[in-house]
Amino acid sequence: AQKVTQAQTEISVVEKEDVTLDCVYETRDTTYYLFWYKQPPSGELVFLIRRNSFDEQNEISGRYSWNFQKSTSSFNFTITASQVVDSAVYFCALKRETSGSRLTFGEGTQLTVNP
Amino acid sequence: DTEVTQTPKHLVMGMTNKKSLKCEQHMGHRAMYWYKQKAKKPPELMFVYSYEKLSINESVPSRFSPECPNSSLLNLHLHALQPEDSALYLCASSRPPSLAGGGTDTQYFGPGTRLTVL
Repeated sequence: AQKVTQAQTEISVVEKEDVTLDCVYETRDTTYYLFWYKQPPSGELVFLIRRNSFDEQNEISGRYSWNFQKSTSSFNFTITASQVVDSAVYFCALKRETSGSRLTFGEGTQLTVNP
Repeated sequence: DTEVTQTPKHLVMGMTNKKSLKCEQHMGHRAMYWYKQKAKKPPELMFVYSYEKLSINESVPSRFSPECPNSSLLNLHLHALQPEDSALYLCASSRPPSLAGGGTDTQYFGPGTRLTVL
């Protein structure tokens, strides 16, 4: 069985603070894929990043960065200098190589950035 | 262009109505998906079409009937829904997994249809 845990249900920060969203996953597969999606109040899930299990390089995209550590089964997401527009629900998701199209989502983290 | 469009944005229907949700993508993707999302919960997969054929039905009640008329369009026909079916319905598309079931590609989501069943 596979599972994704986002232990932080809600996080509230003040603009310009840095914030890290945690994601811990469980899978017995050696090949798998990890994703982060952003869901603003409008409802659309916006794709942010995909990582495969063989690529442990961390990634930075503007104010966003991701830290993938297989040793701790974690794929954490950091927003630097947060902005009000970052307020959204963020989902971490896992897909097995052999699961067809099924994504296993975490429960999501509601991030609120206050001015 | 990673755009998936959905219509309508909002839909209110009675339990005896018949309505349809529509989804369209022009990214050349050959896999399309319907998800249901309740408030404060992650999306739940309902159906997957791969090359216009239904490949996954996650035991969805028959009052939901999917249709894939061509590679760009995906419909969800609704009939005799219950109030508990009220939710955000999301469509997504991707390149399909390999025929062996492996591989993956990113799913791109539409803005969703907020459905209220009275």
